[in-house]
Parts: sequence; C-alpha cells; structure tokens
Amino acid sequence: GAVVSQHPSWVICKSGTSVKIECRSLDFQATTMFWYRQFPKQSLMLMATSNEGSKATYEQGVEKDKFLINHASLTLSTLTVTSAHPEDSSFYICSAPGTSGSYEQYFGPGTRLTVT
Amino acid sequence: QKEVEQDPGPLSVPEGAIVSLNCTYSNSAFQYFMWYRQYSRKGPELLMYTYSSGNKEDGRFTAQVDKSSKYISLFIRDSQPSDSATYLCAPFTGGGNKLTFGTGTQLKVEL
Repeated sequence: GAVVSQHPSWVICKSGTSVKIECRSLDFQATTMFWYRQFPKQSLMLMATSNEGSKATYEQGVEKDKFLINHASLTLSTLTVTSAHPEDSSFYICSAPGTSGSYEQYFGPGTRLTVT
Repeated sequence: QKEVEQDPGPLSVPEGAIVSLNCTYSNSAFQYFMWYRQYSRKGPELLMYTYSSGNKEDGRFTAQVDKSSKYISLFIRDSQPSDSATYLCAPFTGGGNKLTFGTGTQLKVEL
C-alpha cells in the first residue's frame, strides 16, 4: 500500500520559535494533502487542506498566518507552526488521498510537538 | 449538532467478548463509511470500510451501515488484547474529499 511519512516524529521547541513539519508521500503523488491536529484523548480535527501549486484551504477557526502550509511538490507538504505557544503542543498528522476517486486515505505516523 | 457522534468510552471488555462500536452522523451526502484504528501515539490505519448501506465482513470484524437511520456500527468478534486501541469512524463523500472523524472510542481488551 501507499506510504506517507512525517518528519520529525517528535520535536520540542521553545515558546516563540517556529517549527516545520514535513509530510511526504513516498511511492505516489498527492496533489492534495490534509493536516490534522489531535489533542490527548480527542479525535483528529482537520486543520487545513494542502493543495499542490495553490493556496491551502483552512478550516474555520484555524489561523492561516500561524499555521503556514506549503505544498511544494507532488510528494511534499510542509506545516510550519510560527511563534509557537505551549497551547500548540499537540499531535499533528497528515494524510493523502489515494488515486483519483479512491476511497482510501493514507495517514502519516504523526509528529508530536511539545512547546516549552 | 456535530456531524459525527461517537461515544468516547473508554470501553473495557474481557478477552473473547463481542464488541460493538457505534457512530451516528447527520450528513446525508456521506457515501463511504470508514473505520480507522489508532494505537497510542500513532497515526490512524484503515481497518475497513463500507460503501452505502449494508454489511461487510473481514475476519473478526464486521462493519454495518444503516443510511436510513444514519447509524454506523463496527463489531469485533473474539476480541483480543491486541485489539486494544482507539477506533474512529469516519464517513465521507468519497473522491479524495476530507474525512470527518468521530471522537473515537477507546477500547481495552483485558486478559
């Protein structure tokens, strides 16, 4: 099956700094990728839809200037958390749909962000 | 009203029990009904899915959808400790569109 990787798997940063998380589709191309955030013992909340070659689409309540998304190629999307605060500490997960019209979505293993 | 409702649990059962996990949804446009399993601190993995109404069986797992009542179920037979995880229902319209997750039900199967 298709594989999605994320890097790093775990990151600690200081409050006020920025951190970049990468999401890669390893053996398939993804014109669209989704970014989710998951707080402990809660479900995945969609943050934004990343579109290759165009601007990301953000869900209501998600600050686009704080969570910068860049879909640089058909296999790479990045999420940059700018001016991180402790309340941004969470588990960030990306996913990519399979082939056009497919029901399948492939999830990355997640990135745990801790802001101190 | 949330688009997808799911009892968060936790649900604790003895090994070998039959487990029933359920979700309700409100969007009539949903056509695919996915069940994901998520182990602690890992990304979700697709367990099985059903298209439209009906049942689908895969080994010890059975997914059931009743579109008339907007009710989704996942049954696990002969539950094992390795089934201990969070189970998330995720209906969607298909075609690469976004998933809408339920809150997830945390299941613990005890020896």
